[in-house]
Order: sequence, then structure tokens, then C-alpha cells
Amino acid sequence: AQSVTQLGSHVSVSEGALVLLRCNYSSSVPPYLFWYVQYPNQGLQLLLKYTSAATLVKGINGFEAEFKKSETSFHLTKPSAHMSDAAEYFCAVSVPGGYQKVTFGIGTKLQVIP
Amino acid sequence: ETGVTQSPTHLIKTRGQQVTLRCSSQSGHNTVSWYQQALGQGPQFIFQYYREEENGRGNFPPRFSGLQFPNYSSELNVNALELDDSALYLCASSRGTSGSTDTQYFGPGTRLTVL
Repeated sequence: AQSVTQLGSHVSVSEGALVLLRCNYSSSVPPYLFWYVQYPNQGLQLLLKYTSAATLVKGINGFEAEFKKSETSFHLTKPSAHMSDAAEYFCAVSVPGGYQKVTFGIGTKLQVIP
Repeated sequence: ETGVTQSPTHLIKTRGQQVTLRCSSQSGHNTVSWYQQALGQGPQFIFQYYREEENGRGNFPPRFSGLQFPNYSSELNVNALELDDSALYLCASSRGTSGSTDTQYFGPGTRLTVL
């Protein structure tokens, strides 16, 4: 079975500072990995996904993530935080074959301080 | 292109009652998945439907059931509601199945409160 662990349920950064949200995965087969963002009272929006192509994945809103097999990590970064980045971020994993079951982490709430 | 819509947005039920939640998939999508998101938690996979057949299920009891219709809209039914069923229920649609990498597009969710 696959799983993800998000380190830090709350992260605070200053506006303009680097954003780093951590995610480690566990999977018995090469996984697909995702980062989603959820704004208050809204559904989830896909930021980016890794599907075994390039290990550095660029997403929307200036976010990117790097797949590191040796570290079983898929951390999300953004060079400069903006106030509008304040939201909850979910790392998720699925595996090829069968049906598309996506397993989510517990989420990291990002606070951006002006 | 119309996005994923869900109804109702909010719902209050009492323990033991039954509830039906509805989802309209994005145009051209034949797969729908349902998730339960409890307060402060990540979404938990309930089940997935592909072309009107359930083709995957998470760790939820049989009182959680679903339907997918020929137009690919979907329902989630929960019988004998329990207090712990209070959550945000999310529907997501996508184009394919079989572990595809197709992006799942999420609706805004239905907030269910069980008293």
C-alpha cells in the first residue's frame, strides 16, 4: 500500500521568502506523486504532478517539486512567497495499474506573514 | 468547459438518517471518485466509478454506496448516518482509469453535519 507523510502541519513564512513544504512517500512500485492546494471552503486544485518523466516538475503559480527516489521525497518549493499562497497544501500518491486511487497526506497549512 | 459541481453545498442530518450527495462531472470525463475529508485531515478515498461500474473502493463500510449515471453524473449515498460521518465530501472527475495519470478535477465539496 502507498502512503505519504507531510512534515509540519503548519508552516509560516514571510512574504518574499522561500516556501518549502516537505513530503515523503512510501510505495512498493514507482509512484505517481501530486501536490494539491485547497483554499478555505473550496475543493482541491492540482498544482503539479510527477509521472516518471522529468524529476523536477514545474507547476502553476511558480511552484515546483523534485522527485528524489533515494530520499523517497517530493518536497514542494517556491522561491518567493506571496500573500495569495496562504492555503492548505496536500501531497498525494497513486500507483499505476488497477484504478486511480489517490492517497493524500494530512496537509500542511501555509501562513504568509506580511 | 464546465467544471465539477456538487450539490448541496451544506447539509445537516441527524444520526440514523440517510443522505444522498450529487456530483456532476466535468464534460468529457468518464471516471468519478469520491473522497471524505474530516476536519483537519486529508481526503480519504471512498470509491471510484468508471462507466457506471464501481472499480475501486477504500476502507469504508457498505453503508457508503454510489451510482454513476450514463451522463457520468454521480451520487454518493450514506445510510444509517453516524456522528463521525460529519465531513466535507469531495467528488473528483477524470478522463481515464486503470491507474492513469489523468488529472482529477475536484468539485467544491458538500459539507455534511450529522447531529
